[in-house]
Amino acid sequence: KNQVEQSPQSLIILEGKNCTLQCNYTVSPFSNLRWYKQDTGRGPVSLTIMTFSENTKSNGRYTATLDADTKQSSLHITASQLSDSASYICVVSDRGSTLGRLYFGRGTQLTVWP
Amino acid sequence: EADIYQTPRYLVIGTGKKITLECSQTMGHDKMYWYQQDPGMELHLIHYSYGVNSTEKGDLSSESTVSRIRTEHFPLTLESARPSHTSQYLCASSHIGQGLGNTEAFFGQGTRLTVV
Repeated sequence: KNQVEQSPQSLIILEGKNCTLQCNYTVSPFSNLRWYKQDTGRGPVSLTIMTFSENTKSNGRYTATLDADTKQSSLHITASQLSDSASYICVVSDRGSTLGRLYFGRGTQLTVWP
Repeated sequence: EADIYQTPRYLVIGTGKKITLECSQTMGHDKMYWYQQDPGMELHLIHYSYGVNSTEKGDLSSESTVSRIRTEHFPLTLESARPSHTSQYLCASSHIGQGLGNTEAFFGQGTRLTVV
């Protein structure tokens, strides 16, 4: 069964600190992995997208890593800001069908305190 | 910023009413999706479309229906709303991928539906 598991479920950090969010997946055959940021009551916004040949991709203070062998990804947030408070969702796409189905994790709820 | 729009953003409606949630995108994307998301839970695919006149049911059983008469428009309709339909509905679109399917999926802002 294709699954995406994220940890931790929730996380509270102080402003200015770094944090790392984890994503493990069993989706096969793998196409790509995306990290989205979803503010409360809004739609997800893409942060990074990586194929199996990419190990690291950065977008400002966000750095995503991918280990296609162990089927693990992480999202590292540097120098956190209050505006980083949101749910971070790991999404894995397969290439076993024309659709390229998207499999969603439940997200990590990040809260940044001043 | 993605050019995909959902209306209304919020809707409170009585049981038994018929409602249509609108979704439009101006990016010329072939694929469009409807997801349902409850608070703190993952997104569940309820409908998708490859293009005009193509609609398919997703993973989560839903009493809603969709239509795709135009590329840019993918409305979702509930013929008779019930309290169990209370949820957030998210629309998304993407290009049909080639090769590895490394295509971006863009989401609308969502419609928060409450059926009383």
